[in-house]
Amino acid sequence: GAGVSQSPRYKVAKRGQDVALRCDPISGHVSLFWYQQALGQGPEFLTYFQNEAQLDKSGLPSDRFFAERPEGSVSTLKIQRTQQEDSAVYLCASSFSRAAPGGRYEQYFGPGTRLTVT
Amino acid sequence: SQQGEEDPQALSIQEGENATMNCSYKTSINNLQWYRQNSGRGLVHLILIRSNEREKHSGRLRVTLDTSKKSSSLLITASRAADTASYFCATDEGWETSGSRLTFGEGTQLTVNP
Repeated sequence: GAGVSQSPRYKVAKRGQDVALRCDPISGHVSLFWYQQALGQGPEFLTYFQNEAQLDKSGLPSDRFFAERPEGSVSTLKIQRTQQEDSAVYLCASSFSRAAPGGRYEQYFGPGTRLTVT
Repeated sequence: SQQGEEDPQALSIQEGENATMNCSYKTSINNLQWYRQNSGRGLVHLILIRSNEREKHSGRLRVTLDTSKKSSSLLITASRAADTASYFCATDEGWETSGSRLTFGEGTQLTVNP
């Protein structure tokens, strides 16, 4: 009965380093979302996958951010050449497809990865 | 960018009192959801209200939605110390290409004092 898991839970990176954040969604969930949450703010949408297809990446703040979900399950958010403004909690969420009969809209969130760029 | 505003930004009450939080948003929505976040458990879904609904109850929670005013409220009755957390409203604008992408408010920090 696992929920959404994320790793690592905490990551400290020196400015300029690349980081990779992993998300394991709930088994069978076709929709996967990444959000960025700055300190004291609400989460902000980054990108959305339906199975392996990245249908919306309009929230990615720059071309240094890249996400993938090659087999429609685990997803990785990669940030290249990290900057201090990238410091935030990165949240992953999964849900049933909205297109499913009696479609479910509730998103199940992981605990997040707190990224600190020094 | 944030969809809208929540007020108050912070609320401190005594155990047993009711807590009311308000949320305003800017665009048409498919549904509105409330989430709770604390350091121990991350973001947890509380309740969803669809755009054609006006009020919904779940246990000690009562949510109202006024689409003409683009606003919602969350009422927690008979509060407990364990209700201490940040509360966020989130709107689903129903974009077909974005699944159920959520746009969150800035949150209300609720403190319930024993």
